[in-house]
Amino acid sequence: SQTIHQWPATLVQPVGSPLSLECTVEGTSNPNLYWYRQAAGRGLQLLFYSVGIGQISSEVPQNLSASRPQDRQFILSSKKLLLSDSGFYLCAWSLEAGGPSAKNIQYFGAGTRLSVL
Amino acid sequence: AQKITQTQPGMFVQEKEAVTLDCTYDTSDPSYGLFWYKQPSSGEMIFLIYQGSYDQQNATEGRYSLNFQKARKSANLVISASQLGDSAMYFCAMRANDYKLSFGAGTTVTVRA
Repeated sequence: SQTIHQWPATLVQPVGSPLSLECTVEGTSNPNLYWYRQAAGRGLQLLFYSVGIGQISSEVPQNLSASRPQDRQFILSSKKLLLSDSGFYLCAWSLEAGGPSAKNIQYFGAGTRLSVL
Repeated sequence: AQKITQTQPGMFVQEKEAVTLDCTYDTSDPSYGLFWYKQPSSGEMIFLIYQGSYDQQNATEGRYSLNFQKARKSANLVISASQLGDSAMYFCAMRANDYKLSFGAGTTVTVRA
């Protein structure tokens, strides 16, 4: 069965420090991968998605970046964190087949709560 | 651009009763998928139910059912026989002509004993 791992679960970082969040998927090949951010009590905002190794699409201009060095590894990074980067970060994966109305479910990791102080 | 609207920020329901969570969507694409997710206080997003735009029948998954009214562009989630473990935030999401899910703001459900 497929599983998704995301770490760390909680992170407290000072403003201006770097960031690296990692997400790995097991039990599947060539998944689509996604990074979302969720502000407290709000919906999810898509930050990045990737359809293959080295292929990254950015949805929101910001000081964050993403990389996909391996098929099932997705990394979210920042060189210098801002206070506004605080939030709950979720990684997700899906397998794509069929058109827009196909049942391509996105499965989420447990998330990382990031506090920038 | 796709838009999902959940107008109920919070709801209370008595244990063993049914609750309906509203979701309306806006898209000009004829092909799309609608999803509901549950987010407990621990934070993980749990997939509940899916409805495709071409599906003729409303989707059901155990105690979850989706009241799909295409002409009204609504996809309400019905949870029957509520349990204390159903207390969580619920998100409606839509996927249209790309790989991306657009999420609503969510509805918090609190089940009372």
